[in-house]
Amino acid sequence: GAVVSQHPSWVICKSGTSVKIECRSLDFQATTMFWYRQFPKQSLMLMATSNEGSKATYEQGVEKDKFLINHASLTLSTLTVTSAHPEDSSFYICSAPASSYNSPLHFGNGTRLTVT
Amino acid sequence: SQKIEQNSEALNIQEGKTATLTCNYTNYSPAYLQWYRQDPGRGPVFLLLIRENEKEKRKERLKVTFDTTLKQSLFHITASQPADSATYLCALAEGGGANNLFFGTGTRLTVIP
Repeated sequence: GAVVSQHPSWVICKSGTSVKIECRSLDFQATTMFWYRQFPKQSLMLMATSNEGSKATYEQGVEKDKFLINHASLTLSTLTVTSAHPEDSSFYICSAPASSYNSPLHFGNGTRLTVT
Repeated sequence: SQKIEQNSEALNIQEGKTATLTCNYTNYSPAYLQWYRQDPGRGPVFLLLIRENEKEKRKERLKVTFDTTLKQSLFHITASQPADSATYLCALAEGGGANNLFFGTGTRLTVIP
């Protein structure tokens, strides 16, 4: 079945540094990937839609200069949290539709980011 | 404003009973609705999708209903087992053809042996 791999699974960084999170579709191509953020005991909040070969589409309230998204190939999207601050500490999850436009999403296992 | 609400933050039931979870939405016109399971520290896993023209969908011990008039979906797990304990999320996409899903608040189900 369709698998989405996310790396790293957890990362601790110092305030002011940048962190890159990778999301790969392992056995299918994904022209679109989605990045979510989840705070403890809360639901997933869609941050942005990553589009292969073009600019990402950000949801309202998400700073595009803060959360840089690059979708350089049909199997890889990256999210870079720039100049991280403690309030950026969260669980970041990527996903991709496996096949058709209306298909369910396959999620990575998330990245736990802790900014100290 | 748009909202997706799952009426119980947490639900405890006895093993063998049927768990019923509710998802209500406002100011959306979804073409379909999906249910996911999420275990702690993991990404959600897809369970079922139901389209706006379908009233009910079944998969093994799972059943989903979709009432576009009431703007509500019900998710049932029959003959529940402790292994069913997890957080269950409903999700929908605005309009037809969109994959960018918006998720409900989730219900944490605990099945007591």
